[in-house]
Amino acid sequence: EDQVTQSPEALRLQEGESSSLNCSYTVSGLRGLFWYRQDPGKGPEFLFTLYSAGEEKEKERLKATLTKKESFLHITAPKPEDSATYLCAVQALGNQFYFGTGTSLTVIP
Amino acid sequence: ETGVTQTPRHLVMGMTNKKSLKCEQHLGHNAMYWYKQSAKKPLELMFVYNFKEQTENNSVPSRFSPECPNSSHLFLHLHTLQPEDSALYLCASSQEGINEQFFGPGTRLTVL
Repeated sequence: EDQVTQSPEALRLQEGESSSLNCSYTVSGLRGLFWYRQDPGKGPEFLFTLYSAGEEKEKERLKATLTKKESFLHITAPKPEDSATYLCAVQALGNQFYFGTGTSLTVIP
Repeated sequence: ETGVTQTPRHLVMGMTNKKSLKCEQHLGHNAMYWYKQSAKKPLELMFVYNFKEQTENNSVPSRFSPECPNSSHLFLHLHTLQPEDSALYLCASSQEGINEQFFGPGTRLTVL
């Protein structure tokens, strides 16, 4: 069964405390993996697309990596404004999209 | 206006009402999507339109009726909804061949 699992469900970090969020997936064939950020009461905001194992993308304090079974979103020296829910989505070769339930990140000043 | 806009942002309706959600994208994309987001659940894809043609309907109840008059506008017509339909309804768009989807702010729907 195709699915996406994100962990942890919630994460609390002190400002400056680096960590990683995990997205593991099982699909019949990967067309792309996407990371989004969602603030309360808003729609998801696109962050990264990864297409193949070994690929990495960076944006400010965020870095996304991809293997054949999972992706990590590394957050380096987070700030309170990085607090949000981070969503992972996978597009399979048949163009189906599968979303995870997200990781709720809280960064404490 | 830029990006993807949705109206209304909040909607409260009774089970016998009829209402419509509107989505407009200003990105020049040719694919549009409706999603349902409920607490603690993954986003559920409801409908997909490519070049105004519906290409996907994920077993959505008939009380939800989509309409896509052109590649910039998407509607979701609602009638005789149930309380379990209360959720955040998100519209998204993408350019075919480039798979990133861009989301609107959503409509928070409450069915009494």
